[in-house]
Amino acid sequence: DAGVTQSPTHLIKTRGQQVTLRCSPKSGHDTVSWYQQALGQGPQFIFQYYEEEERQRGNFPDRFSGHQFPNYSSELNVNALLLGDSALYLCASSRAGWITEAFFGQGTRLTVV
Amino acid sequence: AQTVTQSQPEMSVQEAETVTLSCTYDTSESDYYLFWYKQPPSRQMILVIRQEAYKQQNATENRFSVNFQKAAKSFSLKISDSQLGDAAMYFCAYRSPNTGNQFYFGTGTSLTVIP
Repeated sequence: DAGVTQSPTHLIKTRGQQVTLRCSPKSGHDTVSWYQQALGQGPQFIFQYYEEEERQRGNFPDRFSGHQFPNYSSELNVNALLLGDSALYLCASSRAGWITEAFFGQGTRLTVV
Repeated sequence: AQTVTQSQPEMSVQEAETVTLSCTYDTSESDYYLFWYKQPPSRQMILVIRQEAYKQQNATENRFSVNFQKAAKSFSLKISDSQLGDAAMYFCAYRSPNTGNQFYFGTGTSLTVIP
């Protein structure tokens, strides 16, 4: 089992550009959540996808959007990038209803210049 | 929103010794779960230990144990017989089915293990 895989591992973008990050959940998991971890901080919840729909959203602007595909994989899109969007983006997968189990990927390090 | 506080930005421990990392949280929920995650330089969050709020017995996983004080809303992690591989950032986290199952994380404690 490959666990949760994220791509790419590192990314450098210019202010104003758009970026897409990808996540494949652990086998058997159907729920994907995205978190933003700024340097020196704990992860902050962006949103959660289940059954291809956004089920819950944290305090992030509409520039942050996502998608979940039928195979449960997910994408995080960020439009009009700001310097402050530079962070580690973590994907977590779980099974619906299994609150005690969640696995994280290794994250995508996004740098906006 | 629930808040999780880790008041120790950095801690250090001698190899083979014991260290305790502190965590407090604020919630009005009665049904919730608490977690300690380890984040090494590889960046992947690794579950260390979890505690269900309805359980009075403190969770234990090998060298890792917690002191869960529900009334005080305190959830500390004790690492016994510290090893060099324990060096990492440690995050305390809260999760509740009544708040959509999202994790609320603290700001982390950086643990250094001294040989």
